[in-house]
Amino acid sequence: NAGVMQNPRHLVRRRGQEARLRCSPMKGHSHVYWYRQLPEEGLKFMVYLQKENIIDESGMPKERFSAEFPKEGPSILRIQQVVRGDSAAYFCASSLRLAGNEQFFGPGTRLTVL
Amino acid sequence: AQTVTQSQPEMSVQEAETVTLSCTYDTSESDYYLFWYKQPPSRQMILVIRQEAYKQQNATENRFSVNFQKAAKSFSLKISDSQLGDAAMYFCAYRSEGNTPLVFGKGTRLSVIA
Repeated sequence: NAGVMQNPRHLVRRRGQEARLRCSPMKGHSHVYWYRQLPEEGLKFMVYLQKENIIDESGMPKERFSAEFPKEGPSILRIQQVVRGDSAAYFCASSLRLAGNEQFFGPGTRLTVL
Repeated sequence: AQTVTQSQPEMSVQEAETVTLSCTYDTSESDYYLFWYKQPPSRQMILVIRQEAYKQQNATENRFSVNFQKAAKSFSLKISDSQLGDAAMYFCAYRSEGNTPLVFGKGTRLSVIA
């Protein structure tokens, strides 16, 4: 009964490169949330997706960031032309369809931009 | 928009003693959920305890209990018989009804002194 999986766990990119972060939700979970944690800060919501749909992207920067959750495969958070300020830990959480259910967190991906 | 405030950036407690972490929140909603998450150095987000706003009874999980004061919008975490393994960042979080994202406080770093 695998939990939420994220890969890679650590990602190093140079400024201007692209970063792709993957999240495989728990089995049976159709809701995925992405959060970002800057150093010494709490987690901040970025985007909420269901299969093939973006439900709420109010926390995601309008430029350079995009997210998807295809019918098959993991959810992807993509950051284009990374800058130093993108260095952070990115967490994915998943939940069941029913309202009120827990969000289970993955181990996070730590992105470092050189 | 909802906000969560943790006014204690750092706390310390002697092993086997009791410590209380504070959390206040702001909302105009009547139905919601409150959570405490633990984040050890591994960065994994671990759910410690949750409270449904409609429940008057305070939640307890072994050595962890909460003092939920709905009118005061206060949700403190009490850790009894503190252990070295309790040392971590603790985040208070709020969630509205439905499949909605979590709103986190900035966290309290708890040290446990042997």
